[in-house]
Amino acid sequence: DGGITQSPKYLFRKEGQNVTLSCEQNLNHDAMYWYRQDPGQGLRLIYYSQIVNDFQKGDIAEGYSVSREKKESFPLTVTSAQKNPTAFYLCASSIVPTLPYNEQFFGPGTRLTVL
Amino acid sequence: GENVEQHPSTLSVQEGDSAVIKCTYSDSASNYFPWYKQELGKRPQLIIDIRSNVGEKKDQRIAVTLNKTAKHFSLHITETQPEDSAVYFCAGHNAGNMLTFGGGTRLMVKP
Repeated sequence: DGGITQSPKYLFRKEGQNVTLSCEQNLNHDAMYWYRQDPGQGLRLIYYSQIVNDFQKGDIAEGYSVSREKKESFPLTVTSAQKNPTAFYLCASSIVPTLPYNEQFFGPGTRLTVL
Repeated sequence: GENVEQHPSTLSVQEGDSAVIKCTYSDSASNYFPWYKQELGKRPQLIIDIRSNVGEKKDQRIAVTLNKTAKHFSLHITETQPEDSAVYFCAGHNAGNMLTFGGGTRLMVKP
């Protein structure tokens, strides 16, 4: 299960607080992604980055922010503007997004709970 | 953008029976369709995928079929075992180089 890691595994937040979820990969992948998973639902794309210092909004970017200062790291900040942040957050990476048939490798996830 | 729908949302089968999960997609430019398996509390992992120039692909007890004309693809699991119990996600990889996931199917294999 090595290669892409996320921390912490569990995170509790009070309403009104910003929190940052960590995602690190040592696979030398160019592309990284953040997904949100709600109980009984599929994966929804929050943000993605195809190259260092560049990132794009996904389908549900409101209330979230990211940075990509290093190839290995793609942290996600859940801001107080996110109305319903309690969910399971998955980070993923893939080799080169411009090539077809790119498998995405997932991290173990962070379960965020707002108290 | 791409829209991927997956059915059924839950599926219960007896051990040894076959299981079939179906997905439809909307973007005719989609060219790659992976299937991921997610066990309880764990990360999704790729189990099989198919490219748009292929109609069927098999890997032991798992097979995937693709009908480009109808824009649907299916996962077939034969001789199901209790360890097949998990949530399965289909996805479509479109011209925008993004994966759009279906809503998932919870498969329960009863011993």
